[in-house]
Amino acid sequence: EIVLTQSPGTLSLSPGERAALSCRASQSVSNNLLAWYQQKPGQAPSLLIYGASSRATGIPDRFSGSGSGTDFTLTISRLEPEDFAVYYCQQYGSSTVSFGQGTKLEMK
Amino acid sequence: EGQLVESGGGLVEPGGSLRLSCAASGFTFSSYRMNWVRQAPGKGLEWVSYISSGGGSTFYADSVKGRFTISRDNAKNSLFLQMDSLRAEDTALYFCSKGRDCNAGRCLLEDWGQGTLVTVSS
Repeated sequence: EIVLTQSPGTLSLSPGERAALSCRASQSVSNNLLAWYQQKPGQAPSLLIYGASSRATGIPDRFSGSGSGTDFTLTISRLEPEDFAVYYCQQYGSSTVSFGQGTKLEMK
Repeated sequence: EGQLVESGGGLVEPGGSLRLSCAASGFTFSSYRMNWVRQAPGKGLEWVSYISSGGGSTFYADSVKGRFTISRDNAKNSLFLQMDSLRAEDTALYFCSKGRDCNAGRCLLEDWGQGTLVTVSS
């Protein structure tokens, strides 16, 4: 199983700032099949990014994904109040599906 | 986009059984591969199981293999998870999710239900 390690565990920023969330895989993710999900309290996760860098339908362009192989990043260019949530990466390219442990993005 | 609504959760004693259901609407259920994903209280996400669109292919996480059985009824637009020999560590919110770009049981999880809570405790 591919282990995904997200960092930092918690990120404290203010609206308008830029956020960079990291997801590192224990081995290369096949075909860069890596996704990012956002989860707000009391809600189900929702898909943001797939294939490492493609935005899902309806996702604002302030969200972008980058990276390949074992190192991936989710960037939020200018934080809006509704962006404060927990973010998970997921790989669906190799072995069994696995998720990172999550990064909590909190308002400073 | 469609809707997914889970049901069937509840409190069960260790060693007991429970059957979860997921009702799908607003999309052609029989065309989609489906998954169950769970989230223990205050914890992260864990993929549990996958089923192909026709039901002939299934995959399970090692943590539930031999105890859980995924199935579907395409005529009733429904997905199921039969959970036997339940353990305390199975306590979680169970989500059903519509898969996309799937390969060998691995999917992008496109849409999610709101989940149903399973608590295993004596």
